[in-house]
Amino acid sequence: AQTVTQSQPEMSVQEAETVTLSCTYDTSENNYYLFWYKQPPSRQMILVIRQEAYKQQNATENRFSVNFQKAAKSFSLKISDSQLGDTAMYFCAFPNYGGSQGNLIFGKGTKLSVKP
Amino acid sequence: DSGVTQTPKHLITATGQRVTLRCSPRSGDLSVYWYQQSLDQGLQFLIQYYNGEERAKGNILERFSAQQFPDLHSELNLSSLELGDSALYFCASSVGSSGGYTGELFFGEGSRLTVL
Repeated sequence: AQTVTQSQPEMSVQEAETVTLSCTYDTSENNYYLFWYKQPPSRQMILVIRQEAYKQQNATENRFSVNFQKAAKSFSLKISDSQLGDTAMYFCAFPNYGGSQGNLIFGKGTKLSVKP
Repeated sequence: DSGVTQTPKHLITATGQRVTLRCSPRSGDLSVYWYQQSLDQGLQFLIQYYNGEERAKGNILERFSAQQFPDLHSELNLSSLELGDSALYFCASSVGSSGGYTGELFFGEGSRLTVL
C-alpha cells in the first residue's frame, strides 16, 4: 500500500529565509506524480507544485522548488525568500494507485509559521 | 478560484440529524472526490465518483452516502450525526480520464459542519 509520511508536524522560519519541508513515500509504482498542497488559514487547498517521477529535473514554481530523490522515495519542498503569506499547513500528496485513478493520499501535514 | 463550488460553506446541526452537502465540479471534470478533515488533521478520503458511478471508497462510514447526478454535481449525505462528525468536508474534482490525467485535484472551499 502507498504511504506518505511528513515527519515535521511544525516548523517556523524568519521572513526572507529559506525553509525545507520533508516528505517520504512508499510505492511500487515506477511512473507517478507527487504534489505539495498548501492550506492557509482560509482552509482552501491550493496546489503549490507537482513533480512527475519520470522527469529527472526538479520542479520549480517561483520561490517554491522540490528536491525529488526517486531512489530514496523522498520529495522535499523548499521555500525560498519566505513571506508572511506562506504561513499555512503544507501537505505532501501521492496518488493511490492501489485504488482508483486520481484519489490522492495525503500526509499528516507540516504547519509552517513565517515570522516577521 | 478552483472552479469547484461547494454549498453550504457552514452548517450547524444537532446530533441525530441528517445533512446534505453539495458539490459542483469544474466544467469538464468527470471525477468527484469527497474528503473529510477533522480538526488539525490531514485529509481522509471518503469516496470517489466518476461520470455518475462510484469508483472508489475510502474510510466512509455506513451512515454516510454519496451520489453523482447526470449533470455531474455530487451530494454527500450524512445521517445520524454524532459529535465526532464535526469536520471540514472537501469536494475535489479532476478530469478523471487517462487522456487528460495530470494527477491534480481541484478543491472546493469546503463545507464546515458543526454537530452540537
